[in-house]
Amino acid sequence: DGGITQSPKYLFRKEGQNVTLSCEQNLNHDAMYWYRQDPGQGLRLIYYSQIVNDFQKGDIAEGYSVSREKKESFPLTVTSAQKNPTAFYLCASSIKSGRAFNEQFFGPGTRLTVL
Amino acid sequence: GIQVEQSPPDLILQEGANSTLRCNFSDSVNNLQWFHQNPWGQLINLFYIPSGTKQNGRLSATTVATERYSLLYISSSQTTDSGVYFCAATQTGANNLFFGTGTRLTVIP
Repeated sequence: DGGITQSPKYLFRKEGQNVTLSCEQNLNHDAMYWYRQDPGQGLRLIYYSQIVNDFQKGDIAEGYSVSREKKESFPLTVTSAQKNPTAFYLCASSIKSGRAFNEQFFGPGTRLTVL
Repeated sequence: GIQVEQSPPDLILQEGANSTLRCNFSDSVNNLQWFHQNPWGQLINLFYIPSGTKQNGRLSATTVATERYSLLYISSSQTTDSGVYFCAATQTGANNLFFGTGTRLTVIP
């Protein structure tokens, strides 16, 4: 099946530890995105990548890092520098049409809890 | 970035009723999407509608780009329609989706 997969579904971390969230897509989409959702809120953009080996900061990039070594994969590392990492993390992807990136599709998300 | 505002924040309906959800945005857009977030957190794509009108079963959407708003219509609501509905927009010339804070819909039997 084509789609976007995220793992793990639930993740628990101790304070001071780095943790990496996985996002894989087999849709042959060009762009990939990471969003964060806090309870009762909309989604906010952390990082996005339009092409392999290139990525851009979103609105709330501090305390996070990403890599884009393959078109299919866009892992997100939540570092110990992120002050309030407990949240729901969603990955998305979209195809490029001309100069624009169109409809975004989302994975099932990872719930991160810092103990 | 672009500001996206949704109304109402909460909506309670009797099963079978119709409803209209509104999304206002502060600038011209090249992408406007409506999503339904289910109880497990999955975002389901409803419409990709930067302009015009689309229909999919009991749901339809209209975006009037010149007046900077979009409407999502739900007819003959069912309990499975419950959840949070998000509108998200990308400002013309940009690539980032900005989300509203959502409308929480509860459909009671």
